[in-house]
Amino acid sequence: EAGVAQSPRYKIIEKRQSVAFWCNPISGHATLYWYQQILGQGPKLLIQFQNNGVVDDSQLPKDRFSAERLKGVDSTLKIQPAKLEDSAVYLCASSFGKWANTGELFFGEGSRLTVL
Amino acid sequence: KNQVEQSPQSLIILEGKNCTLQCNYTVSPFSNLRWYKQDTGRGPVSLTIMTFSENTKSNGRYTATLDADTKQSSLHITASQLSDSASYICVVSGGPAGNKLTFGGGTRVLVKP
Repeated sequence: EAGVAQSPRYKIIEKRQSVAFWCNPISGHATLYWYQQILGQGPKLLIQFQNNGVVDDSQLPKDRFSAERLKGVDSTLKIQPAKLEDSAVYLCASSFGKWANTGELFFGEGSRLTVL
Repeated sequence: KNQVEQSPQSLIILEGKNCTLQCNYTVSPFSNLRWYKQDTGRGPVSLTIMTFSENTKSNGRYTATLDADTKQSSLHITASQLSDSASYICVVSGGPAGNKLTFGGGTRVLVKP
């Protein structure tokens, strides 16, 4: 079974530039999550989708971050304009059920962003 | 505020030795507790999931314990191997809405030959 796919694995940009990350969840998984993991810290939820609807985006900095999950399958996370503090690994995860607490969560390898 | 605190932040152990990682949480109400292993440059991978009624769960050389009364969990690694070098993240689900995941900061383990 294919896992959660993410790209690109690494990205280096200058501040104020834009960047986009792509995620393809495990086939059949209804719920998709984007997490931000700053070096040395645990992941922080940015946004949770169920199919193509947003369940939770309370911690998404909406002035610069946006995400979409068209057709309820793959998803794109965009940052525009990027700030130095956005340097982090962006993890995508998926689960079969609606709520992360009731099912297994599968993570992708992550996309490492460096903002100079 | 729902929090998950892990200790130590990092540790170094010799190959073949045992070690124990700690996780204390304040998440309430509690749904389940998970331990993840995260290799450098990789995504987290689930080791164990424990519900309120489970106080011990094993996955190979990894044994997790849960004391829901004191809101503490531990992850014991037996006969450590070089491949155990990783970050170990404690995640507690629950909270007022019942469905939030709260992540700890992780413990970085380095196994030396």
